Amino acid sequence: EVQLLESGGGLVQPGGSLRLSCAASGFTFSSHAMNWVRQAPGKGLEWVSTITSSGGSTYYADSVKGRFAISRDNSRNTLYLQMNGLRVEDTAVYYCANGWGNLAYWGQGTLVTVSS
Amino acid sequence: EIVLTQSPATLSMSPGERATLSCGASQSVSSTSLAWYQQKPGLAPRLLIYDASSRATGIPDRFSGSGSGTDFTLTISRLEPEDFAVYYCQQYGRSPWTFGQGTKVEIK
Repeated sequence: EVQLLESGGGLVQPGGSLRLSCAASGFTFSSHAMNWVRQAPGKGLEWVSTITSSGGSTYYADSVKGRFAISRDNSRNTLYLQMNGLRVEDTAVYYCANGWGNLAYWGQGTLVTVSS
Repeated sequence: EIVLTQSPATLSMSPGERATLSCGASQSVSSTSLAWYQQKPGLAPRLLIYDASSRATGIPDRFSGSGSGTDFTLTISRLEPEDFAVYYCQQYGRSPWTFGQGTKVEIK
């Protein structure tokens, strides 16, 4: 059974940093692209970032480019999102999901709240 | 970026009825690179349809997708009680990948 378990969310002040993690199991992690998608409270879905299976290529939404960094450790079956320079508008539930393009499996999400 | 517009915003239906959800793209979506997701309150989205018309693993055949270019449709042939949820379309043919704003299917 595919499982994706996010962690690392919490309350942070504007300008602060957080690192999210996503622990994967039930599939060959190193063979799949991985993604972060977020959902602000009461709003729709927004793609944030994608990393290829090897980690050799990364892609970002303009809204987070230069502030967020996606990475992965294939030896630990774990995906990361380093978030710096957080803004109030980054407040959202952050989901990790696997797949290139269509997102086949999703974690339960972790809530990031940016507030003073 | 490709903007996806879903209609209607809300669909009030009764169990057993046929539901038709639309997703329009501001530019042609290449290679039918369009997916549909279902999301229930407090839960993560679930992939229903990919490549415009292929059902994801475990998805009942009452869900079907069609369309190409700029116009796509998700059809639920006979609504079951568990189908009342929000549905999102997503294009992955051109970066950045984008989602529609969602259609809520509610019980009439």
